Amino acid sequence: EAGVAQSPRYKIIEKRQSVAFWCNPISGHATLYWYQQILGQGPKLLIQFQNNGVVDDSQLPKDRFSAERLKGVDSTLKIQPAKLEDSAVYLCASSAARAAIEQFFGPGTRLTVL
Amino acid sequence: GQNIDQPTEMTATEGAIVQINCTYQTSGFNGLFWYQQHAGEAPTFLSYNVLDGLEEKGRFSSFLSRSKGYSYLLLKELQMKDSASYLCAVRVNAGNMLTFGGGTRLMVKP
Repeated sequence: EAGVAQSPRYKIIEKRQSVAFWCNPISGHATLYWYQQILGQGPKLLIQFQNNGVVDDSQLPKDRFSAERLKGVDSTLKIQPAKLEDSAVYLCASSAARAAIEQFFGPGTRLTVL
Repeated sequence: GQNIDQPTEMTATEGAIVQINCTYQTSGFNGLFWYQQHAGEAPTFLSYNVLDGLEEKGRFSSFLSRSKGYSYLLLKELQMKDSASYLCAVRVNAGNMLTFGGGTRLMVKP
């Protein structure tokens, strides 16, 4: 079974530029999560989707971050414009259902904002 | 909100036993998770506790006391490959949103 796929793996941009990350969850997984992990810290949930609907985005900085999962499968996370403090690893995870115990994480995208 | 505390770093010797503690303060508690994360890699699921007591899975065990807001992860017969960060996470209410602690970086020495 293929795992959660993410691209790109690494991205370096200048502050005030835009960037987008892509995630393809495990086939059949209804629930998808985006986390931000700053170096030396635990992951912080940004947004949770159930199929193509948003369950929770209370920790998403909506003035610059946006995310979508239009067809209930792939998802994109965008930052526009980026700030220095956005430098982090962006992890995508999926689970079979909202009540599922285990979340499966992708390899992440490491973003560096200069 | 939730408050989750765990030690930042621990060191242990190969073959030994180590206990990583996690304390939490939250309302609507609905489960405690432990994840392992090797440097530069994604977190992987280790264990889940929702009721008080000990869950054993091979060399790893996890304990929960809901009344004390306390959990620990016990690693036995430590191997060099166990060097990683161990993340404690709490789930609240009926959803599956996890709040992670800062992680404990474990270094296993020969």
